[in-house]
Amino acid sequence: GQQVMQIPQYQHVQEGEDFTTYCNSSTTLSNIQWYKQRPGGHPVFLIQLVKSGEVKKQKRLTFQFGEAKKNSSLHITATQTTDVGTYFCAGPRGGSNYKLTFGKGTLLTVNP
Amino acid sequence: DTAVSQTPKYLVTQMGNDKSIKCEQNLGHDTMYWYKQDSKKFLKIMFSYNNKELIINETVPNRFSPKSPDKAHLNLHINSLELGDSAVYFCASSQWDSYEQYFGPGTRLTVT
Repeated sequence: GQQVMQIPQYQHVQEGEDFTTYCNSSTTLSNIQWYKQRPGGHPVFLIQLVKSGEVKKQKRLTFQFGEAKKNSSLHITATQTTDVGTYFCAGPRGGSNYKLTFGKGTLLTVNP
Repeated sequence: DTAVSQTPKYLVTQMGNDKSIKCEQNLGHDTMYWYKQDSKKFLKIMFSYNNKELIINETVPNRFSPKSPDKAHLNLHINSLELGDSAVYFCASSQWDSYEQYFGPGTRLTVT
C-alpha cells in the first residue's frame, strides 16, 4: 500500500537556525498537506500543495511539492521557540482526497 | 467558540469495559473523521462519515463502532476495551469540497 515517509524523525536546533523536514511518497500524489501539532495539542492544518513544482510561503515557512509529485519539504527560516512541535505531511490514499495517509512526523525542538 | 469539540478529554478505564467518546463540530462541515494517534505519534484514520453515511472504514476491530446521529456529531463506541486501545483519539471534520481537516482537542484513552 501507499507509504508516506518523513525524515528526520527528530530535529533539535538552536533558536535562529533553519530547519527542514522531508516527505516522500511511494506513489504519485494528487496533493499533499502539512499539519503542525504542538506538544499536548492537536494537528492544525498549515497548507495544501497541488501543482507539480509548487512553492508556497507562509512568513518564515516555505513549502515545496516535487516535480514528480512524490516528495515535499517544509523549510523554516530562523526558527523560534513558537515553532516547536511535530510537523506532519499527509497525502490522499486510494484515489480518495479524504482518506489521508500521514507521515510519522518530525518533532522539532528549539533551544532558546 | 470551539470549532470541533470532544468529550471526555481524558478517559481512564479497565480492560473489558465499554466506553464512548463524543464529537461535535459547529463549522457546518459535512464530513467527519476519527483518527487514532499511538504513543509514537503515528496518526491513522479509522472512520469517516459524510452526511451521516459511512465512507471510510479502515481495518479496525469491530469492537469499535462509530455513529453519526447528524452531520454535526460523530461518536465512537468501543466495546471490551484492551490495553492496546490506549491512545489519543482525534475527531476531525472537513467540508466535502475542501481538503483541509479541522481536528478536535483529542481524547486520551488509558486502559489499565
